[in-house]
Amino acid sequence: DTGVSQDPRHKITKRGQNVTFRCDPISEHNRLYWYRQTLGQGPEFLTYFQNEAQLEKSRLLSDRFSAERPKGSFSTLEIQRTEQGDSAMYLCASSFILGTAEAFFGQGTRLTVV
Amino acid sequence: AQSVSQHNHHVILSEAASLELGCNYSYGGTVNLFWYVQYPGQHLQLLLKYFSGDPLVKGIKGFEAEFIKSKFSFNLRKPSVQWSDTAEYFCAVNPDDKIIFGKGTRLHILP
Repeated sequence: DTGVSQDPRHKITKRGQNVTFRCDPISEHNRLYWYRQTLGQGPEFLTYFQNEAQLEKSRLLSDRFSAERPKGSFSTLEIQRTEQGDSAMYLCASSFILGTAEAFFGQGTRLTVV
Repeated sequence: AQSVSQHNHHVILSEAASLELGCNYSYGGTVNLFWYVQYPGQHLQLLLKYFSGDPLVKGIKGFEAEFIKSKFSFNLRKPSVQWSDTAEYFCAVNPDDKIIFGKGTRLHILP
């Protein structure tokens, strides 16, 4: 296992279309996080899972966003009816249960909504 | 509001200069502290972390950071920077089960 992988790396979509991103965490990690990063900003927390349970979702996250981690392994993040403001880098990270564990990040999926 | 503040958004230094990047957080209680680095075109990588014990922590590539609890600060330092340190640096805190990041400092080292 070489780390956290995300697919696709880049996605261009038309406004109003739905998109889905995938994240494969480091296999032993039970925590999985989604972040969003825009230019000039730090990563902004969206949601996280412990195994298959979604434990927290940011209040900033619109109802158009949904995430799943059906078997406690990979996760998907879906954005419905995309808007131009959704254009950003979407980052996935995984870790053991935080306490003394660090989070490892993937390369991200860059979404451009035109 | 709970937050992580990085004082410098963009820093330009010459090689061999000393570096200090400021970070303050506003969470009470016990927190874990991190500095992450993002080199151009690469993913976020952990530079160093503080969980407990010695407040002066050493990380990779000659970086260190000092946790000062009374000041809610976790400043990053390096005595002599190199051109390869050009990157964006993020201070982060995990007060609970998620990591909260600052806005980042873009560091540009002149050769």
